[in-house]
Parts: sequence; structure tokens; C-alpha cells
Amino acid sequence: GNSVTQMEGPVTLSEEAFLTINCTYTATGYPSLFWYVQYPGEGLQLLLKATKADDKGSNKGFEATYRKETTSFHLEKGSVQVSDSAVYFCARHLRQGGSEKLVFGKGTKLTVNP
Amino acid sequence: DSGVTQTPKHLITATGQRVTLRCSPRSGDLSVYWYQQSLDQGLQFLIQYYNGEERAKGNILERFSAQQFPDLHSELNLSSLELGDSALYFCASSVREGTGELFFGEGSRLTVL
Repeated sequence: GNSVTQMEGPVTLSEEAFLTINCTYTATGYPSLFWYVQYPGEGLQLLLKATKADDKGSNKGFEATYRKETTSFHLEKGSVQVSDSAVYFCARHLRQGGSEKLVFGKGTKLTVNP
Repeated sequence: DSGVTQTPKHLITATGQRVTLRCSPRSGDLSVYWYQQSLDQGLQFLIQYYNGEERAKGNILERFSAQQFPDLHSELNLSSLELGDSALYFCASSVREGTGELFFGEGSRLTVL
């Protein structure tokens, strides 16, 4: 099938801790992969993306590498801040015929404590 | 601010009723997408329009319908509402198809009592 599986939360960390949120996908071919973030009370925002194998997306200290061999796109940040508290969604781009859409994982809620 | 505007922000209604959610995409964006977010189902793709034409359908119930108007704004119509339709409904837009880079509105929270 065409799905995205990400680690279930919630995840609670202390400020400056290392963050990893796992994401794996199933797909035919090599879809573009994304991480979106949803801050409290807001809509989703694109955090980073990678369009082909071995690409590394990065933004605001977050990184994710497109791993074809493990079909993974894990999100990492070396030192989280309180302001990173949000829900993080992994997504893959799906094109079928003339249509296209984003398929999202269920989301992982991150809480960073001071 | 993503530039995508959704109204209303909150809506409370009763079972059996009908509601319309409205979305104005970012200026210049031709594609509009609707997603439903609920605790148990996560983010579910409902439907996509591109420049007024329906492009893709996801898990959209027959009781739901949508359209995109010539000025590119879109409306999602939900009818014969059930308790299970209570959710956050997001609209997103993109300047062109194929990128996966969507700009989301803040959502319309629908509560069905």
C-alpha cells in the first residue's frame, strides 16, 4: 500500500535534549517525503522535505534523511527548545494518474519542558 | 500566517444539520485541498481541486461535497451531520500541483451535538 507510519507519542523531553521521531513509509517508486509541524491552535506548516534518496532536508535545526534502503525519513534535532513543542507529521507525496495528494502519518506530539 | 483563510473557526451544530465551510487559498494558488483531522483517524485527505476542477478524491463521504469557484475560493458542504463528523477540517493550497508543499489554514472546528 501507500502509507506512512510514525512513532506514537507523546514524547516528552527536557530542553536541550536530543530528539528523534521515527517515520517509515511504504510506496512504489520514490515519493517525495515531508515533515510538517502543527503548533498549538494553528494549521500545519511545512518543516522540511526531501525529494529523492539520500537527500537531507533541514530547517530550524531539524534534519531528516531520505533512506531508500530502510524506507525511512526519521526526524532529528540535536537540542530541542520549549518552542519546539508541537505535533509533528511525517508525510509522503502520492501521485496516482492525474491526481496527487499528501498521505500523513498519525502525528507525534512533542512536549519540551524547561 | 500561511495566507490561507478558513471560516468559520468554530461551529457547533446538531445532528442532521448541514454546514458549509469556506476556504480562501493564498493569492495565486490554484490548488485547494481539504483534510479532516480527528483524534482517532488522524489527518484524512478528503478532496482536491485545481483551478475549479475536481482532481482527486479521498475518504470523502457521500454526505459531503465540495467545489471550487472561479475566484478560486472553495467550500466544503457537510450534510446530514452525525456525531462522528465532529473534527477539525483543514483547507490547504499550493501554487501548483506535484510539489507536495501545502499551505494550511488554521482549520474549522466542527462540533456536532
